[in-house]
Amino acid sequence: DVKVTQSSRYLVKRTGEKVFLECVQDMDHENMFWYRQDPGLGLRLIYFSYDVKMKEKGDIPEGYSVSREKKERFSLILESASTNQTSMYLCASSISSQETQYFGPGTRLLVL
Amino acid sequence: GNSVTQMEGPVTLSEEAFLTINCTYTATGYPSLFWYVQYPGEGLQLLLKATKADDKGSNKGFEATYRKETTSFHLEKGSVQVSDSAVYFCALSGNDYKLSFGAGTTVTVRA
Repeated sequence: DVKVTQSSRYLVKRTGEKVFLECVQDMDHENMFWYRQDPGLGLRLIYFSYDVKMKEKGDIPEGYSVSREKKERFSLILESASTNQTSMYLCASSISSQETQYFGPGTRLLVL
Repeated sequence: GNSVTQMEGPVTLSEEAFLTINCTYTATGYPSLFWYVQYPGEGLQLLLKATKADDKGSNKGFEATYRKETTSFHLEKGSVQVSDSAVYFCALSGNDYKLSFGAGTTVTVRA
């Protein structure tokens, strides 16, 4: 069965803190993605990776960076958290472009 | 670029009512089309998909047909249940690895 896990379901951080969100998939998928979900805006792509050590900017990369040192793990980093980064963060993976993306349960981040 | 427009909600229905959520898209080439569902407190799950024109995706009583001539992928279910209460997202995938999502439609089914 397909499995994407995220390190935390809920997270509370202070403004200016460095935040790491971890995502792991066990399906040997090439592609991994980070989205944020906000009411009325749907899902917006932050970054994606189509191979180990490869990364591409999505639609809203500002204030974020990513790391993919191993195929199964894709990390999202908030270098200096700000209140406008309070959101639900969703990780996904897929075997190739145009194929189904499988999502993790999400991390709800609150930045105070 | 690619984009998806779906019907705004919220939508409130009674059990056994007919549900339609409209979705239209703009894309270059031949995208794949998806409907994802998000139940309260959970991540997104694939509901159904279609990869080429005139394909019909179906799952759990839901159906959607890939209409290239009208650039649409409307979601339908003939008789909804309380357990269908969720947020539904239409999405499009081109050959650039990305999924483009609609804003989501919140559906509430009352007993």
